[in-house]
Amino acid sequence: DQQVKQNSPSLSVQEGRISILNCDYTNSMFDYFLWYKKYPAEGPTFLISISSIKDKNEDGRFTVFLNKSAKHLSLHIVPSQPGDSAVYFCAASGGTSYGKLTFGQGTILTVHP
Amino acid sequence: KAGVTQTPRYLIKTRGQQVTLSCSPISGHRSVSWYQQTPGQGLQFLFEYFSETQRNKGNFPGRFSGRQFSNSRSEMNVSTLELGDSALYLCASSPYPNTGELFFGEGSRLTVL
Repeated sequence: DQQVKQNSPSLSVQEGRISILNCDYTNSMFDYFLWYKKYPAEGPTFLISISSIKDKNEDGRFTVFLNKSAKHLSLHIVPSQPGDSAVYFCAASGGTSYGKLTFGQGTILTVHP
Repeated sequence: KAGVTQTPRYLIKTRGQQVTLSCSPISGHRSVSWYQQTPGQGLQFLFEYFSETQRNKGNFPGRFSGRQFSNSRSEMNVSTLELGDSALYLCASSPYPNTGELFFGEGSRLTVL
């Protein structure tokens, strides 16, 4: 039972354009969502998060949008840079287990110069 | 500030053996979590510790165990290793429990032959 899904295994984008990574969840108890970035041979790095009381959170080039009714969130990267090429994981927590993150399978983003 | 340190980085074991992995969190961080990453299952939560107490546990068999010491360092143990235990084991720390903004180490790559 995959409660957090990233349906696109990979995404390829030109430098300077927008990258949009999507994530869907099924567990209604989730109320805190995060995005992590992972380079090869490194641990995941926290990027940005959003609480369910918001529908948008912005941090520099990164914006996360949350649509609670659709149980969908997305990460927008504008403008995309070659250094953004990495695996992006969506994660969720909530209910009685905020310390437990449920991760999606990840999306490999490649930004071409 | 030093990051999360995991040892050993790589290890090879045979079926039936046991293994102990170690994690030193960022100085001042009292919460430590463990995750297993495999190509098929992605990142899966193992356990979370805070002040030497296990606060959350994932859906793994009893062969997987962990503990946290008074200095916040943590260890996880896997007994009676199976081929399917081959994975990257990631440790993450945070200043407080119940937060998803985790700081991950580079992981311990376990291969079971």
